[in-house]
Amino acid sequence: NAGVTQTPKFQVLKTGQSMTLQCAQDMNHNSMYWYRQDPGMGLRLIYYSASEGTTDKGEVPNGYNVSRLNKREFSLRLESAAPSQTSVYFCASSTSDREGRQPQHFGDGTRLSIL
Amino acid sequence: AQSVTQLDSQVPVFEEAPVELRCNYSSSVSVYLFWYVQYPNQGLQLLLKYLSGSTLVKGINGFEAEFNKSQTSFHLRKPSVHISDTAEYFCAVRRGSSNTGKLIFGQGTTLQVKP
Repeated sequence: NAGVTQTPKFQVLKTGQSMTLQCAQDMNHNSMYWYRQDPGMGLRLIYYSASEGTTDKGEVPNGYNVSRLNKREFSLRLESAAPSQTSVYFCASSTSDREGRQPQHFGDGTRLSIL
Repeated sequence: AQSVTQLDSQVPVFEEAPVELRCNYSSSVSVYLFWYVQYPNQGLQLLLKYLSGSTLVKGINGFEAEFNKSQTSFHLRKPSVHISDTAEYFCAVRRGSSNTGKLIFGQGTTLQVKP
């Protein structure tokens, strides 16, 4: 049972470099999310995609872009990495329903350090 | 705007003792409430959820939570903890009428179970 798969698991970048974090889910979920986790701040939503072909900003979108490549895949791109983007990034997915009752399923995270 | 406050950043407790992790939320509309657990170097797993109906919700691993609308709280409890319960716990809220599934997370509470 793969669930939500994130790659890579770890990455170190230099300031100004770019990279794309990959996320794929095999649960046929419509909605996908990207969060960042920082100590003492819980998880904060960066971007989400309610369905294939749509994306919207969350709480902290600055410095990031996303692509919903197809129903399975949702990638997060850092165009010019900054030390403030050092964090653990989580991808999640959920079934969509009108009431939003469905829980989100999370990947194991990508630990990103920007030097 | 919605917000979630977890009142304790760390909770140390001895094995087999009871524990309560506190969560308060602010919202002027109906909400759905969730507790997630994060073990070291892993993603988040759903412990339990409150959508409607009985205010006492039972989850996995012997945890339960009680929804209190008048006090806007959703505290997590376990009558007897094990060493394996050592983890970080997150309370999260979703607006009841949301069709985007966006979650607002609390800051997290680290449960440290000592032998």
